[in-house]
Amino acid sequence: GAGVSQSPSNKVTEKGKDVELRCDPISGHTALYWYRQSLGQGLEFLIYFQGNSAPDKSGLPSDRFSAERTGGSVSTLTIQRTQQEDSAVYLCASSFAPGQTYEQYFGPGTRLTVT
Amino acid sequence: GQNIDQPTEMTATEGAIVQINCTYQTSGFNGLFWYQQHAGEAPTFLSYNVLDGLEEKGRFSSFLSRSKGYSYLLLKELQMKDSASYLCAVRGGSGNTPLVFGKGTRLSVIA
Repeated sequence: GAGVSQSPSNKVTEKGKDVELRCDPISGHTALYWYRQSLGQGLEFLIYFQGNSAPDKSGLPSDRFSAERTGGSVSTLTIQRTQQEDSAVYLCASSFAPGQTYEQYFGPGTRLTVT
Repeated sequence: GQNIDQPTEMTATEGAIVQINCTYQTSGFNGLFWYQQHAGEAPTFLSYNVLDGLEEKGRFSSFLSRSKGYSYLLLKELQMKDSASYLCAVRGGSGNTPLVFGKGTRLSVIA
């Protein structure tokens, strides 16, 4: 079946503008995660959804970042008043496994460049 | 706190064996994952360990020692396509809780 999809694949925006990044998880996956990856850095956890609720928002770097998930499916990550340090690849992952592994499946990412 | 350490870069020869180490200090432990990430692509799942010992899957094996907070990924019969970053990640809580990732080890396979 289809994997995790993200859009747009690339986004260039001017400093101070708002951006919205979209994630479509694998159908039936109840958990959805947002991470970001900066050059030379590991994956940094941002926020996690179980269904439509977010039990863990601890990774959001500032109140300029927010995310929502509707219908237990699509999620949108919004960054307001973007700054140059927000430039990174934003990765979405989803998981649901009946076994123990709870493996996360990643989307291709959105490369955000703030100029 | 959460800390996961792995070497930044490694180089190995085609056909050889390479071992990528990962040490972790996390507030909880409920499994260790290895992911492979080719440049410009999404991470893909390689292996999962939750009990001590070795898990083998084809050319790739992963080992875990919970008492030492240590894991390694072993790649045998290296191929050029194995050139990628290898990410070590730990799940600290139960169920679908998020993973904590190391910075990754960039492996270059040379002829």
